[in-house]
Amino acid sequence: AQSVAQPEDQVNVAEGNPLTVKCTYSVSGNPYLFWYVQYPNRGLQFLLKYITGDNLVKGSYGFEAEFNKSQTSFHLKKPSALVSDSALYFCAVRAGYSSASKIIFGSGTRLSIRP
Amino acid sequence: KAGVTQTPRYLIKTRGQQVTLSCSPISGHRSVSWYQQTPGQGLQFLFEYFSETQRNKGNFPGRFSGRQFSNSRSEMNVSTLELGDSALYLCASRPTSGSGGELFFGEGSRLTVL
Repeated sequence: AQSVAQPEDQVNVAEGNPLTVKCTYSVSGNPYLFWYVQYPNRGLQFLLKYITGDNLVKGSYGFEAEFNKSQTSFHLKKPSALVSDSALYFCAVRAGYSSASKIIFGSGTRLSIRP
Repeated sequence: KAGVTQTPRYLIKTRGQQVTLSCSPISGHRSVSWYQQTPGQGLQFLFEYFSETQRNKGNFPGRFSGRQFSNSRSEMNVSTLELGDSALYLCASRPTSGSGGELFFGEGSRLTVL
């Protein structure tokens, strides 16, 4: 069965510093991996995805993520954090062999950027 | 293109009642998924519909049900409401060919059960 783990409930970073939000996954076959962001009282917004190709994926708002197959990880990163990046971040996975496979989300990581 | 639309945005019910939530996907998207979000459990998958058929199902009791219409609009129903059903219910649609299939979410329906 597929699963996603986000080991940190909360990540605190000073504005201007680099940030990393961790995600590990378990899935049969090749994974499709996603990152989403949720602002208060809103739905989830798509940030980026990995399907195949380069292990470093670039997405919206200056975020990027690195796919590491040997460590089954897909960590979200940003070189310089902004206060406006403060939100709830979700990692998700789908087994890539079938478009009919459901997408499973991690428990979420709250990112807090202090001025 | 209009996004995913969910109605109602907020509702309050009492235990034992039932509720129906509606979701209109992005035009051309034939897959609609439903998720329950609670502070303690995170984002839990309820079910996915594609071309009016349930394609995937999560681990929820039979009180949770859904359907999809020929225009891809979807509804979910929760019968005999319990306090623990209080949550944000999110609907998401996705294209079903090419693209890698990321989900596009609505703003959610926040259900409070008293």
